[in-house]
Amino acid sequence: QQPVQSPQAVILREGEDAVINCSSSKALYSVHWYRQKHGEAPIFLMILLKGGEQKGHDKISASFNEKKQQSSLYLTASQLSYSGTYFCGTEGSNYKLTFGKGTLLTVNP
Amino acid sequence: DTAVSQTPKYLVTQMGNDKSIKCEQNLGHDTMYWYKQDSKKFLKIMFSYNNKELIINETVPNRFSPKSPDKAHLNLHINSLELGDSAVYFCASTQGNSPLHFGNGTRLTVT
Repeated sequence: QQPVQSPQAVILREGEDAVINCSSSKALYSVHWYRQKHGEAPIFLMILLKGGEQKGHDKISASFNEKKQQSSLYLTASQLSYSGTYFCGTEGSNYKLTFGKGTLLTVNP
Repeated sequence: DTAVSQTPKYLVTQMGNDKSIKCEQNLGHDTMYWYKQDSKKFLKIMFSYNNKELIINETVPNRFSPKSPDKAHLNLHINSLELGDSAVYFCASTQGNSPLHFGNGTRLTVT
């Protein structure tokens, strides 16, 4: 079943922060986050496994609450290069990674 | 050296034709996928193979047939193409809990 992402779109000024949420109605084994720029392939940001861990990558971090079946992606002090569509992918079992509908992030100067 | 490569990058064809998209990965991964991304950017899983065996077959018309001659290759053949098949098709590979590595996509346009 497809995870639900919110918000659908967000517009920021450079330097502002944003949070993108991802929730699932099914128990999750892991959550993946990817960013896709227009006309390009999605690129990997981070993966969170069961255990409620939080991971970070420069000014982008994420958390995973397996009890609530939710994950959040935190972007701090956004840069122009952060613009793109962010997808969460949830893995239940059997190698099946199902993506949400994406969140379009636009960072303006 | 490209990790996951797809060919062709663009494919323009008429309704009713049959076409194939090829994918190869040099990462040594066991699992490969085909995803379809429509005009609304929705990334929908179509098929997954693990070590040449089909393990995921979503609700995809029978006109779509994947083939994995070995674990480094996963091809997609589409028969009797329809307008609704127009999309970007991404191949991806992974190993265990590692992230998906996507190919650059094949933009299919059916006229």
